Amino acid sequence: DGGITQSPKYLFRKEGQNVTLSCEQNLNHDAMYWYRQDPGQGLRLIYYSQIVNDFQKGDIAEGYSVSREKKESFPLTVTSAQKNPTAFYLCASSPRKAGGRETQYFGPGTRLLVL
Amino acid sequence: AQSVTQLDSQVPVFEEAPVELRCNYSSSVSVYLFWYVQYPNQGLQLLLKYLSGSTLVKSINGFEAEFNKSQTSFHLRKPSVHISDTAEYFCAVSPTGANNLFFGTGTRLTVIP
Repeated sequence: DGGITQSPKYLFRKEGQNVTLSCEQNLNHDAMYWYRQDPGQGLRLIYYSQIVNDFQKGDIAEGYSVSREKKESFPLTVTSAQKNPTAFYLCASSPRKAGGRETQYFGPGTRLLVL
Repeated sequence: AQSVTQLDSQVPVFEEAPVELRCNYSSSVSVYLFWYVQYPNQGLQLLLKYLSGSTLVKSINGFEAEFNKSQTSFHLRKPSVHISDTAEYFCAVSPTGANNLFFGTGTRLTVIP
């Protein structure tokens, strides 16, 4: 089955700890995205990547980092600099950059909680 | 700059009643418009989208939305809701030539038996 997988489903972070959220897609999509979802705030873009080895900051990139070494993978690291990391994190992908017409396909999400 | 407004954060409706979820946007350029649905503890799924052509677009499960350029709106409607429609609905816009989507804050639809 083609799709997007995110792991783990739940993740606990201790103070001062960096944690990495996994996102893998087998849809052969060029573009991948990370969003943060907070209650009542909708989705906010953290980072996106249109091609391997290239990525761009979104609206709320501070305290986060990403890499795109492979087309299929776009891991997100929540660093200790992110002071309020508790949220639901969603990864998405789309076939290619096409001026905004493309549908984004979402993974099931990772819920990050701070201990 | 772009913004998307979903004025109703929660909409309760009885089963088999009609429903309208409102979405207004602002943008200095032309946009593409999307509605996504999120079931509890899941990711988002595309419900329908407007790219060009007919301003009325429909989904396979009975929802429809109409693009109104003069009112900058893209309201979502369904003439008769089912229990299974209970979910959160997000309106989103993508400016032409842009790389990403701008989401509204979502409307939680609760269908009451």
